[in-house]
Amino acid sequence: GQQLNQSPQSMFIQEGEDVSMNCTSSSIFNTWLWYKQDPGEGPVLLIALYKAGELTSNGRLTAQFGITRKDSFLNISASIPSDVGIYFCAGPLLDAGGTSYGKLTFGQGTILTVHP
Amino acid sequence: GAVVSQHPSWVICKSGTSVKIECRSLDFQATTMFWYRQFPKQSLMLMATSNEGSKATYEQGVEKDKFLINHASLTLSTLTVTSAHPEDSSFYICSARWQINYGYTFGSGTRLTVV
Repeated sequence: GQQLNQSPQSMFIQEGEDVSMNCTSSSIFNTWLWYKQDPGEGPVLLIALYKAGELTSNGRLTAQFGITRKDSFLNISASIPSDVGIYFCAGPLLDAGGTSYGKLTFGQGTILTVHP
Repeated sequence: GAVVSQHPSWVICKSGTSVKIECRSLDFQATTMFWYRQFPKQSLMLMATSNEGSKATYEQGVEKDKFLINHASLTLSTLTVTSAHPEDSSFYICSARWQINYGYTFGSGTRLTVV
């Protein structure tokens, strides 16, 4: 189905290290979104990807839309303590004809802990 | 731009009472808003889609009589949890789409605790 499988579930890293997380699906998506959620807050959009193969950066963050349209990854370089939070991938649900319902489905999230 | 304001940020209520949560788009008009529920350390689960001027559409397994949604204007959607029970305690988040290409903005969430 149109579920997103996100890994890893959690990561414990030292400040300054690079981080990589990914999302896969058995279904094709035409858009991939990466969000960060701080405790007690709503998700905030980090990067949006709209084309297969697209590689987009936002500061220390880089994300790519997989060629097969069934996966995406997010990299964070030189992590800092404020990177702590939950990172979610998300994509719009599509009907049988490939048209979006306008609704998003989310991955399970990656909990990132950064030790100073 | 594209700010969604959600209120209250937290609420504690007694079992059997009803609670209303508001979601406002501050600087854009939102014909469609979405309501999510999130349990601790879990992902966001879509509850319903709120449509301005018409009935909300609910996801499978979500009780429409328990979670009443009203979207009476282009900038306001409300979620009312009726006859709340402790199992309704959760983090509720609203979202609105401000851009065709999936420009979704989320509210800051409401922590509901039913005692």
